Amino acid sequence: GEDVEQSLFLSVREGDSSVINCTYTDSSSTYLYWYKQEPGAGLQLLTYIFSNMDMKQDQRLTVLLNKKDKHLSLRIADTQTGDSAIYFCAEGAFSGGYNKLIFGAGTRLAVHP
Amino acid sequence: EAQVTQNPRYLITVTGKKLTVTCSQNMNHEYMSWYRQDPGLGLRQIYYSMNVEVTDKGDVPEGYKVSRKEKRNFPLILESPSPNQTSLYFCASSQGYNEQFFGPGTRLTVL
Repeated sequence: GEDVEQSLFLSVREGDSSVINCTYTDSSSTYLYWYKQEPGAGLQLLTYIFSNMDMKQDQRLTVLLNKKDKHLSLRIADTQTGDSAIYFCAEGAFSGGYNKLIFGAGTRLAVHP
Repeated sequence: EAQVTQNPRYLITVTGKKLTVTCSQNMNHEYMSWYRQDPGLGLRQIYYSMNVEVTDKGDVPEGYKVSRKEKRNFPLILESPSPNQTSLYFCASSQGYNEQFFGPGTRLTVL
């Protein structure tokens, strides 16, 4: 069945790069997403990548997709304290007229001085 | 401002006391969904709705009901809450295959 896995915690020093990894199982996924959840808030879409792409860059964010290994990563350059949050990887499959999302457990990113 | 709102944001209740969590969106989206978030499990879909009067079960529907009488509203109903329904609940909406917008969440504790 569908499953998305990611490590639960990551701690980085301010100014360093953060890399959050994710693996998924559904090869029919059309889009892969990264959502950010700040304390007490809902989920905010950070970025996404279409399944036929290898890489997408958006300012400090770089998404890498290895479709063969079903591995997705999110790199945050020059990590700031405001980046401290939970990051969810999700795979999306078009199903019956809507985009069904399957989420990983979330990676809690802690940024320290 | 385009948004998804949920009420209440926090709720403490007792086992068996019926409750409703409301969800409303102002973007005229057809698709709406409820998720629950639990530590180590991420978000799991409870129910979803493709349009008015069209609802279907997600991955964890047991113990929940929904209704979609109007396009903008999608309430989540717990007829007889139990402690294992203590969780953080999110409502989301989208149009077709586009981005899902999430509400701020409702933290429910069932004693």
